Amino acid sequence: DQQVKQNSPSLSVQEGRISILNCDYTNSMFDYFLWYKKYPAEGPTFLISISSIKDKNEDGRFTVFLNKSAKHLSLHIVPSQPGDSAVYFCAAIQGAQKLVFGQGTRLTINP
Amino acid sequence: DTEVTQTPKHLVMGMTNKKSLKCEQHMGHRAMYWYKQKAKKPPELMFVYSYEKLSINESVPSRFSPECPNSSLLNLHLHALQPEDSALYLCASSRETGFGAQPQHFGDGTRLSIL
Repeated sequence: DQQVKQNSPSLSVQEGRISILNCDYTNSMFDYFLWYKKYPAEGPTFLISISSIKDKNEDGRFTVFLNKSAKHLSLHIVPSQPGDSAVYFCAAIQGAQKLVFGQGTRLTINP
Repeated sequence: DTEVTQTPKHLVMGMTNKKSLKCEQHMGHRAMYWYKQKAKKPPELMFVYSYEKLSINESVPSRFSPECPNSSLLNLHLHALQPEDSALYLCASSRETGFGAQPQHFGDGTRLSIL
């Protein structure tokens, strides 16, 4: 049973435009959500997080939106840059210790 | 540069070998984690250590044996592994467990191949 879902395996965006990555979850007990970026041959790198008591968190070019009623969150990157090309994982905290990851979305930024 | 260091980066071993994976962090974090990642899949939690004590074992087979000798080090001892255990093994750390102590910081992993 996949509790965190990223339904788009890949996304291609033109440089300078907005990238929107989506994530859905099924477990209403999740209280905290994170986005990680992963380059090949490297471990996941933390990008941005959001608590369930908020609906938006912004950090520079990255903004995460949370819709608790829809059990949906999204990551907006604007403007998109070539260095943003990577695999993006949505993750949720369960029981204050366990990080549950989505399947990942491969983002490609085209010049 | 990652602040969580994992060694070795690559490991090839036979099914009868005994080997260990090592993870080190010097950020003063008191929670450390082992994850397993198969190709084109997300990382999956294996073990959680909190203040050097094992707090979560995700029903991992006993051929994987974790050890936390001190707050900076985390080992994963491997014995009699199966070919399906070939994967990327990721170590992570966080200030503590709990929502306020996130995020977890990951190392670059050990790529393990079982012959």
